[in-house]
Amino acid sequence: DQQVKQNSPSLSVQEGRISILNCDYTNSMFDYFLWYKKYPAEGPTFLISISSIKDKNEDGRFTVFLNKSAKHLSLHIVPSQPGDSAVYFCAASPNAGNMLTFGGGTRLMVKP
Amino acid sequence: EAGVAQSPRYKIIEKRQSVAFWCNPISGHATLYWYQQILGQGPKLLIQFQNNGVVDDSQLPKDRFSAERLKGVDSTLKIQPAKLEDSAVYLCASSFEGRSIFGSGTQLSVL
Repeated sequence: DQQVKQNSPSLSVQEGRISILNCDYTNSMFDYFLWYKKYPAEGPTFLISISSIKDKNEDGRFTVFLNKSAKHLSLHIVPSQPGDSAVYFCAASPNAGNMLTFGGGTRLMVKP
Repeated sequence: EAGVAQSPRYKIIEKRQSVAFWCNPISGHATLYWYQQILGQGPKLLIQFQNNGVVDDSQLPKDRFSAERLKGVDSTLKIQPAKLEDSAVYLCASSFEGRSIFGSGTQLSVL
């Protein structure tokens, strides 16, 4: 039973354009959501998070949107840069970042 | 600030052998996690420690996996005996104020 799903295994975007990565969850107990970025042979690196009391959180080029009624969140990267090319994982937690449940990841490729 | 240290980086063993992984978390981080990441999938939580106590090990296959964090700092994860399906990257993470910091992981290949 996959409680966190990323339905797009890969995404290709032109440099300078917007990248939109999507994530769906099923567990109503999740109240904290995070995005991690992973390069090959490295551990996941924290990118941005959002609490369920908010519907948007922004940090520079990265914005996360949360739609609680649809149990859906998305990560927007604007503008996309070649260095953003990595695997992005969505993660969810029932209590402020502990005991993360991860999605399967989306591989983002930003073309110069 | 030093990151989460893990060793070894790579390990190749034959099935039914034993293997151990080591993790040194960020200084001062009381919470430590072990995750298993199978190729093409997201990390899956195996066990959570708070200081030297186990908070949750419900997803740890206890017939072959064990983990300890005796002094509340370093942790080891052991597999005995290993199976082919244990081939994965084993990630250690430590947490402070809700943000988990991951190590680079140990890539295990079971032949």
